[in-house]
Amino acid sequence: DAGVTQSPTHLIKTRGQQVTLRCSPISGHKSVSWYQQVLGQGPQFIFQYYEKEERGRGNFPDRFSARQFPNYSSELNVNALLLGDSALYLCASSDLKTSRTADTQYFGPGTRLTVL
Amino acid sequence: QKEVEQNSGPLSVPEGAIASLNCTYSDRVSQSFFWYRQYSGKSPELIMSIYSNGDKEDGRFTAQLNKASQYVSLLIRDSQPSDSATYLCAVPSGGTSYGKLTFGQGTILTVHP
Repeated sequence: DAGVTQSPTHLIKTRGQQVTLRCSPISGHKSVSWYQQVLGQGPQFIFQYYEKEERGRGNFPDRFSARQFPNYSSELNVNALLLGDSALYLCASSDLKTSRTADTQYFGPGTRLTVL
Repeated sequence: QKEVEQNSGPLSVPEGAIASLNCTYSDRVSQSFFWYRQYSGKSPELIMSIYSNGDKEDGRFTAQLNKASQYVSLLIRDSQPSDSATYLCAVPSGGTSYGKLTFGQGTILTVHP
């Protein structure tokens, strides 16, 4: 079975531009979470979507937005890019069917965003 | 106090030794705990999950959980150079299952031959 997929792998943008990152969860998983990881730190939670609804939002500015589609894939949009947005953007999917394993998240390969 | 804290690294151990990685968390209602391994330039890979107090073993890996002390650890026995990576401790926020994991800052492990 295919794991979590993300596109593109790498992206270079300039300050002020807008970017869209894409994610497809593991087949059967309906929950997608987005994380930002800057060098030397652990991932920071941005959004979680479940059944096309936003279920959680981290401490990120309104320049960050996301959505989930009927097929459970997701997009993360970042407007008015800043140099500090340079990071690895990670998508994780989870299966919220059982309470025991509901929090288990599987990460995609990530999108490396560089803002110049 | 940070929500999830890991022992400061980097940690360097010789091949064949036991590597011990530690993590403390602040939310007493947390029920699930995860260890991820992240190779340089790659994404986190789940290696262990633990839900109950005590030890959980999977091959060379053992996770230990003490909810009273709010402490979770990962032991790697017979460490190999291929274990060299950053190890991330992760805890769901607020004890809920709404898809938010809070991560520690990670501990860099180097296993030298």
